[in-house]
Amino acid sequence: GAVVSQHPSRVICKSGTSVKIECRSLDFQATTMFWYRQFPKQSLMLMATSNEGSKATYEQGVEKDKFLINHASLTLSTLTVTSAHPEDSSFYICSASLTGADNQPQHFGDGTRLSIL
Amino acid sequence: GENVEQHPSTLSVQEGDSAVIKCTYSDSASNYFPWYKQELGKGPQLIIDIRSNVGEKKDQRIAVTLNKTAKHFSLHITETQPEDSAVYFCAAYGGSYIPTFGRGTSLIVHP
Repeated sequence: GAVVSQHPSRVICKSGTSVKIECRSLDFQATTMFWYRQFPKQSLMLMATSNEGSKATYEQGVEKDKFLINHASLTLSTLTVTSAHPEDSSFYICSASLTGADNQPQHFGDGTRLSIL
Repeated sequence: GENVEQHPSTLSVQEGDSAVIKCTYSDSASNYFPWYKQELGKGPQLIIDIRSNVGEKKDQRIAVTLNKTAKHFSLHITETQPEDSAVYFCAAYGGSYIPTFGRGTSLIVHP
């Protein structure tokens, strides 16, 4: 149980392109989803928390106009990297938890490797 | 806010040996501590967790211990196998639904 599917797994595109990444909870309803960015050999950096039906909460230093998050249903959240540039190249990972309560583990997708040329 | 320190950053063991990874946390209100395993090119996967009302939890070759007084918790892997090689992350929930992650430990199990 608690499977999170993330697509695509790999994206290579030209600078200036906008890229959409999907995160789906397959067998549970996720009121809260999270988007992380991970640099090589580093820990997970929380970018934003996505709540179904409301605006995402962004961490300090994350540009909300650059990283658009939509959480339109209890099973789907999307991250759109707008006008991507080489410095946006990274490994992006989503996660979902069953509810927004404490003591609930996050279940992660397999990540999206984004490479901007 | 919560601060989680994880050690060591790299751990190299021979197959069959035990491996121990330790994390310390700063917020005494933290009450939930999951451990994740991340294989190369994949997302982290939950492998075991412990809540603050328990001192130890085991699942086959994996165990986690928690010392609330000292504010540290550890992951123990016995009889390590090459497929245990991965990066392991600890996390602590300090009274919110957003965890603070450790910096990760790269475990290498040599055949």
